[in-house]
Amino acid sequence: KNQVEQSPQSLIILEGKNCTLQCNYTVSPFSNLRWYKQDTGRGPVSLTIMTFSENTKSNGRYTATLDADTKQSSLHITASQLSDSASYICVVRGGGSGTYKYIFGTGTRLKVLA
Amino acid sequence: DSGVTQTPKHLITATGQRVTLRCSPRSGDLSVYWYQQSLDQGLQFLIQYYNGEERAKGNILERFSAQQFPDLHSELNLSSLELGDSALYFCASSPLQGALQETRYFGPGTRLLVL
Repeated sequence: KNQVEQSPQSLIILEGKNCTLQCNYTVSPFSNLRWYKQDTGRGPVSLTIMTFSENTKSNGRYTATLDADTKQSSLHITASQLSDSASYICVVRGGGSGTYKYIFGTGTRLKVLA
Repeated sequence: DSGVTQTPKHLITATGQRVTLRCSPRSGDLSVYWYQQSLDQGLQFLIQYYNGEERAKGNILERFSAQQFPDLHSELNLSSLELGDSALYFCASSPLQGALQETRYFGPGTRLLVL
């Protein structure tokens, strides 16, 4: 069954600290993996997009990794800021051309405290 | 601001009714995607249109339908509404067909409440 599981479900850290969010998937065949940041009540904002051949991709203080062998991805946030408080959603696209599907994780809710 | 606009922002209606949600993609984007986000199900992909044609289908119910018009705006029609249809409905757009590395730009969403 195609699934995307994220951990932890929620996380509280102090401003300036680093954190790592996990995404494990069983989607096959794999097409790509995206990380989104979603502020409460607002639309998701794309952070990174990774394909099968990519191991690491950075976007400012956000660094995503992908291990296609173990089907795991992580999102590392460096020097967290209060504005990083949001839900972080991992989405995996699976399937071949014309029949692909998107499997969403339930997200990790991050709270950064001053 | 992503450049994607959605109307209305909020919608309250009764069970059994029909509503239409509207989305205007970013200028020049040819693909429009619809998503549903409810508290218990999280984000779900509903359907994608590319340049007026249906491109991909996700977990869209038969009571729901969508279309993309020649000016590239899109509408999502929800009929025979049920309480469980209460959710945030997001529209996103991308420049082309949604290739592997193509970024999606999400609108602010329409919050639907079915009473």
